[in-house]
Order: sequence, then structure tokens, then C-alpha cells
Amino acid sequence: AQSVTQPDIHITVSEGASLELRCNYSYGATPYLFWYVQSPGQGLQLLLKYFSGDTLVQGIKGFEAEFKRSQSSFNLRKPSVHWSDAAEYFCAVGAGSNYKLTFGKGTLLTVNP
Amino acid sequence: GAGVSQSPRYKVAKRGQDVALRCDPISGHVSLFWYQQALGQGPEFLTYFQNEAQLDKSGLPSDRFFAERPEGSVSTLKIQRTQQEDSAVYLCASSRDGHYGYTFGSGTRLTVV
Repeated sequence: AQSVTQPDIHITVSEGASLELRCNYSYGATPYLFWYVQSPGQGLQLLLKYFSGDTLVQGIKGFEAEFKRSQSSFNLRKPSVHWSDAAEYFCAVGAGSNYKLTFGKGTLLTVNP
Repeated sequence: GAGVSQSPRYKVAKRGQDVALRCDPISGHVSLFWYQQALGQGPEFLTYFQNEAQLDKSGLPSDRFFAERPEGSVSTLKIQRTQQEDSAVYLCASSRDGHYGYTFGSGTRLTVV
């Protein structure tokens, strides 16, 4: 069965600084990979996804992620963080034709002014 | 509608009470999913419908949990004899084709006291 690890429970960055959120997955074949963002009291919004092809994926709100098979990683990056990016971020993996998503425990992002 | 709608947004139940949580998916979306998100955790898969057929209920924690989607549109997640460990946010998602392009609702926060 697949699994996802987000090593950082809480990250604090200053507004305008760069951001990298880590995600490691465990799955025997090529996974489908996702990043979601959840603001307080809200549902999950899809930021970006990787199915195949170019390993650098662009998403909404200026986010990007890079799939590195050798490291089993799918880290999320943003060059300059805005205060509105403060939220919880979840990495998720799907396997093959399976429709189920397995989520990590999330990383809470705080943005200092 | 434009998004996935869930009601109620908040529900407080006394231990032992039955509750019913409603999900209105995006019109025309064939697939519907329920996830449970405990405090400080990522969402965990509960069950999956394709139209009115419940194709996977492997994530339902116990036989106190029951989900239905009788006309292939609105879905209800019912929890009988609620227990404190059922306290969580229950997220509904829908997709057009059963694959990973989920749209999540804002969730129902259930608190069992």
C-alpha cells in the first residue's frame, strides 16, 4: 500500500521569502502525486498534480513541484510567499487506476509580515 | 451547483445519537467520495460511489457508518450510535469521471460530546 510522509509539521517563513515543503511517498510503481491546500474551515483545493511526463509541474497561485523518482519525493516550492499563502498543505498519492488518495499529515505554513 | 455543497457545516451530537451528513456534488459528476479528517491528520478515504452504486466502502471504520446515494446525485453519510472517536471533519468530493480530478466540499465538522 502507498504512504506519504510530510516531515515538517509546521513551517514559518517571512513574506517574500522562498518556500519549500517536503513530501516523500512510498509506492512500488510510478504514482500519481498531488498537492492540496486547506485554509481554516475550508475544503481542500488542488494546487497541482503529477501524472507523467515533465517532472517539474506548475500549479495555481505560483506554486510548482518537482517529482524526483530517485528520492521518492515531490516537494512543493514557491519563490516568493505571500501572507495569503498561510494555510495547511497536504501532499497526496494515488496508485495506478485506483481512485483513492492517500494523504500525508500536512504541513502548517505560517507567514510572518 | 458551482461547487460541492455539504450540510450542516457543524454538528454537535451527544454520544449515542445518530447523525446524518449531506453532500450535494457538482451537477453531472458521476463519482462521489467521502473522506474523514481527524484533528491534526490528513483526510482518510471512507467510501466511493459511481452514480448510485457504492463500489468501495473499505474505509468505513465500523458497521455504525453507512453511506448512500440512491439517485446518483445527493449522498448521505450516516453514523449510528456516535462515539467520541467519530469526532472529525467529514469531507465529500466529486469528480466527473472517477479519477483524480476531485473537487472537495468544505466539510462537516462533527463533534461528539
